[in-house]
Amino acid sequence: ETVLTQSPAIMSASPGEKVTMTCRASSSVSSSYLHWYQQKSGASPKLWIYSTSNLASGVPARFSGSGSGTSYSLTIRSVEAEDAATYYCQQYSTYPLTFGGGTKLEIK
Amino acid sequence: QVQLKESGPGLVAPSQSLSITCTVSGFSLTSYGVHWVRQPPGKGLEWLGLIWTGGSTDYNSALMSRLSISKDNSKSQVFLKMNSLETDDTAMYYCARDLYYGSSNAMDCWGQGTSVTVSS
Repeated sequence: ETVLTQSPAIMSASPGEKVTMTCRASSSVSSSYLHWYQQKSGASPKLWIYSTSNLASGVPARFSGSGSGTSYSLTIRSVEAEDAATYYCQQYSTYPLTFGGGTKLEIK
Repeated sequence: QVQLKESGPGLVAPSQSLSITCTVSGFSLTSYGVHWVRQPPGKGLEWLGLIWTGGSTDYNSALMSRLSISKDNSKSQVFLKMNSLETDDTAMYYCARDLYYGSSNAMDCWGQGTSVTVSS
């Protein structure tokens, strides 16, 4: 099983700050098969970034993703209040499909 | 408009079985696969399994002995059945559509989820 470890577990940022969260895999994941989901409190997850760096429909351009192999990251160029959520990475490279434990982003 | 909607029993007694239905609209089950994912209260996401367009399935090996996923294309419904429930199976259960992007698959649309509590 490919274990995904996200860090930090919780982070806090002020509006306008740049934030980066990471996702590390226990074994190499093809960049095509690493995705990110956003989940707001009480809501279902939404596909946010697919194949490492492609923004899903409707995702603001301030979001970006990068990485390869066992290390991936999601960056928000200038955080806004609406970005408060938990972000999960997910690998679709090997079964069972797995998710990271999530990074909760709080806005000050 | 693509929609998925889960419906389930809400409360299940320990050792009993769970049946949840995912009813989809806006797309055909003959063209898209459907995943099941669950989330215990306050915790992260766990993939349960997937049914492909042709009806074949892939399961999380940790749960495979207790899980069954099936579908009825004509009714646009996907079914999850889980046996021998324990309190640790208490969770929100989601279905999600599988979308092939040309180089990978991802879960592009999710239902609202149905909450299941395992308790006597």
